[in-house]
Amino acid sequence: AQSVTQLDSHVSVSEGTPVLLRCNYSSSYSPSLFWYVQHPNKGLQLLLKYTSAATLVKGINGFEAEFKKSETSFHLTKPSAHMSDAAEYFCVVSSGGAGTALIFGKGTTLSVSS
Amino acid sequence: GAVVSQHPSRVICKSGTSVKIECRSLDFQATTMFWYRQFPKQSLMLMATSNEGSKATYEQGVEKDKFLINHASLTLSTLTVTSAHPEDSSFYICSVPTGGIYNEQFFGPGTRLTVL
Repeated sequence: AQSVTQLDSHVSVSEGTPVLLRCNYSSSYSPSLFWYVQHPNKGLQLLLKYTSAATLVKGINGFEAEFKKSETSFHLTKPSAHMSDAAEYFCVVSSGGAGTALIFGKGTTLSVSS
Repeated sequence: GAVVSQHPSRVICKSGTSVKIECRSLDFQATTMFWYRQFPKQSLMLMATSNEGSKATYEQGVEKDKFLINHASLTLSTLTVTSAHPEDSSFYICSVPTGGIYNEQFFGPGTRLTVL
C-alpha cells in the first residue's frame, strides 16, 4: 500500500532563509507524488508534482522538490522564505493508477517570522 | 484547466438536521469523484469514492447510511450528511481526477460544516 510520512509537524523559519519540508514515501511501484499547500480557511493548491520525467521538480512560487528513490524521499524546498509562504503543506501520493484516490500526509505547518 | 465547485461554501445547521453538499466538475465529465473530510488542524482523510451510475464505495469507519452520496450525472456528486451532530462539524472537500496517467486531481474549494 502507498503511504507518505511528513517528518515535521511544524517548521519555523525567518523571512529570507531557506525552507525544507521533509516527506518520505512508501510505494510498491513508481509513485505519483504531489505537494499541496493550504492557506488558512482556503482550499488546496497544487505546488508541484513528480511524474518520473525528472527527479528535480520545479513548482510554483519558487518551490521545488527532489525525488530520491534510494532514500524514498520527496522533500520540498525553497531558497528564500516569504511571509506569504506561511501555510499548511501536504505531501500526497497516489493510491494507485489514474482515477484512484490520493493519500495525504499529516501535514506540516510552516511559520515565517519577520 | 478544469474547475471544481462546491456549494455551499459554508453551512451552519442544528443537530439532527440533514445537509446536502454539491460538488460540480465545470469543465469535463467525471465518472469518479472523491470526498474527503478534514477536521481542524488535521489532514484530509478519504471518506468515499463517488461513482457515476453505481453505488459509492466507503472507507472503513465511514457510515454509508449517514453520509449519503449520489453521483447524479457526470458533472455532479452530492454528499448528504443525515441527522448531523456536532462531531460531524468539519471541512468537506471533493476532488475530480483529470484522467491523466499521473492521477492529477482538481480539488473543490471545500465546504465548512458547523453543527450546533
